[in-house]
Amino acid sequence: QQPVQSPQAVILREGEDAVINCSSSKALYSVHWYRQKHGEAPVFLMILLKGGEQKGHEKISASFNEKKQQSSLYLTASQLSYSGTYFCGTGGTGANNLFFGTGTRLTVIP
Amino acid sequence: EAGVTQFPSHSVIEKGQTVTLRCDPISGHDNLYWYRRVMGKEIKFLLHFVKESKQDESGMPNNRFLAERTGGTYSTLKVQPAELEDSGVYFCASSQFVNEQFFGPGTRLTVL
Repeated sequence: QQPVQSPQAVILREGEDAVINCSSSKALYSVHWYRQKHGEAPVFLMILLKGGEQKGHEKISASFNEKKQQSSLYLTASQLSYSGTYFCGTGGTGANNLFFGTGTRLTVIP
Repeated sequence: EAGVTQFPSHSVIEKGQTVTLRCDPISGHDNLYWYRRVMGKEIKFLLHFVKESKQDESGMPNNRFLAERTGGTYSTLKVQPAELEDSGVYFCASSQFVNEQFFGPGTRLTVL
């Protein structure tokens, strides 16, 4: 039930864009995105609940394609502070627990 | 408002010993979750409390793991006896509603 994330790691220069993908073999009802910096708690970025929904957080946005059972996180004009590991968490209908992907390590360099 | 806190931040024990991890959720959050991340792998769900009741414990690896939530406030996760494969970072999260879970900083457990 764990979703699959890609890529596993990416290195960007400041100002560049990146896309992180999350896909599931099971039907998705919600997708949650978190960012974790080393040694810190994962921080909630956003949740997507409807098919085709898009949301934004600063210059980070996400889409959710219910039909394709996948979500993508878009990081635009990346900043040094965006560095960290990004996790997608997927939930089933009425389910409270999340199934997380293995994470995507994002490194932004000057 | 204080976030989710976990204690200890690190624990190093020998195989066969017992360790108890504690989680204090955000005040007023009825939902409390335990997750574990083994190095390089996904964050894996262990169990979910609603107040003091176990709502879902399908992710608990085996009966060496015991979770409790006294009076619906803080929660403890005891591992007894610990095995090498129990090493990892144990996260606690809490939420008032289903949608957003607030995570604690985690307890890094190393079993030697």
